[in-house]
Amino acid sequence: DAKTTQPTSMDCAEGRAANLPCNHSTISGNEYVYWYRQIHSQGPQYIIHGLKNNETNEMASLIITEDRKSSTLILPHATLRDTAVYYCIVDGNNDMRFGAGTRLTVKP
Amino acid sequence: GAVVSQHPSWVICKSGTSVKIECRSLDFQATTMFWYRQFPKQSLMLMATSNEGSKATYEQGVEKDKFLINHASLTLSTLTVTSAHPEDSSFYICSANSGRVGRGAFFGQGTRLTVV
Repeated sequence: DAKTTQPTSMDCAEGRAANLPCNHSTISGNEYVYWYRQIHSQGPQYIIHGLKNNETNEMASLIITEDRKSSTLILPHATLRDTAVYYCIVDGNNDMRFGAGTRLTVKP
Repeated sequence: GAVVSQHPSWVICKSGTSVKIECRSLDFQATTMFWYRQFPKQSLMLMATSNEGSKATYEQGVEKDKFLINHASLTLSTLTVTSAHPEDSSFYICSANSGRVGRGAFFGQGTRLTVV
């Protein structure tokens, strides 16, 4: 079973920041938080991951709470091409198990 | 980032035939590969873990005799759907990792199987 809880769907206006929350209250000390996204009929695309500290890359930022029980993926300036299903996964040995994810729709 | 390639991207086969799907890690050696199945409007479901040089580990409810997995080298794993039936029609996705904890897994582009 997936160890994360995400909202089923979210909308975001084009050009605005998209903030996608994820709860992972049972995360273990050696488990990382990963974010992937899947655009229709494609394989999942890696976005970002972190263990304890906040992380930023060219695609997004990842904010992890101090107790590590939740995190937020931030897409700073959402575009229409960011419309996808976003999966938050906690994992310690790379066998990624997917929950239902959040369907993000970016609207013009 | 690392590249994982699946072949074919899509395949149509007749009921009762077998279909082989290949998953290759192009720029790294993958000690472990994973196979997923995804039905329309559903999430990815892990089917099995493929370990180089040893038998695959199957998730509960996945028939190992129907979904044959071979991981003969550090860059190639294959999934063979044997005696395919229309209900096997799905999107099959593989992923690979280098075995280094914290590096995550890299996914192939998926294979759309349609059994007619």
